[in-house]
Amino acid sequence: GQQLNQSPQSMFIQEGEDVSMNCTSSSIFNTWLWYKQDPGEGPVLLIALYKAGELTSNGRLTAQFGITRKDSFLNISASIPSDVGIYFCAGQALFGNEKLTFGTGTRLTIIP
Amino acid sequence: DTGVSQDPRHKITKRGQNVTFRCDPISEHNRLYWYRQTLGQGPEFLTYFQNEAQLEKSRLLSDRFSAERPKGSFSTLEIQRTEQGDSAMYLCASSRRGDGINQPQHFGDGTRLSIL
Repeated sequence: GQQLNQSPQSMFIQEGEDVSMNCTSSSIFNTWLWYKQDPGEGPVLLIALYKAGELTSNGRLTAQFGITRKDSFLNISASIPSDVGIYFCAGQALFGNEKLTFGTGTRLTIIP
Repeated sequence: DTGVSQDPRHKITKRGQNVTFRCDPISEHNRLYWYRQTLGQGPEFLTYFQNEAQLEKSRLLSDRFSAERPKGSFSTLEIQRTEQGDSAMYLCASSRRGDGINQPQHFGDGTRLSIL
């Protein structure tokens, strides 16, 4: 099935550093979401975006809905150990089209 | 609120056996979704229900797969004659009906299926 292009695939950073990741699609989405998944658990919703150009924050996390509707970005500021995990973007094409199309994931590792 | 609950968390079975998974959505959510996630990949959509009606099925959902939501509350996903390629994490999500926008989907912790 289709998966969105997410980069980078993995990141190794030190605690306290800022993190940026992005997600691109060949088609337009009307909704972008960012999830975090820990091993053996389901994805947990971090941020939902509904308008092109929208910038939304959730604590140290900030996400943006790209103006072209084909991309989205997630930034994490001042990373802490519990930020470790896999981050997924997901898009929904139309209101009433319920399917989420997920990205390939960005694995975040914090180096002691 | 109570989150999405899935049972069992792990299932190990021999090839050719039938398996059934259960999902209990968040209580006020009328939409329920099933996804499959293989190692190193993001979840892939399988099917979704609005109340008891199954409204969309992915091509990934072969005829060995069947999903039901008989009373519009919990849902079951059955796989008949399991194959090695069915080994994956099966995730359930739920959302409430949107008012002009897509309401976000909230996921359970999944059922990990291993086929011997």
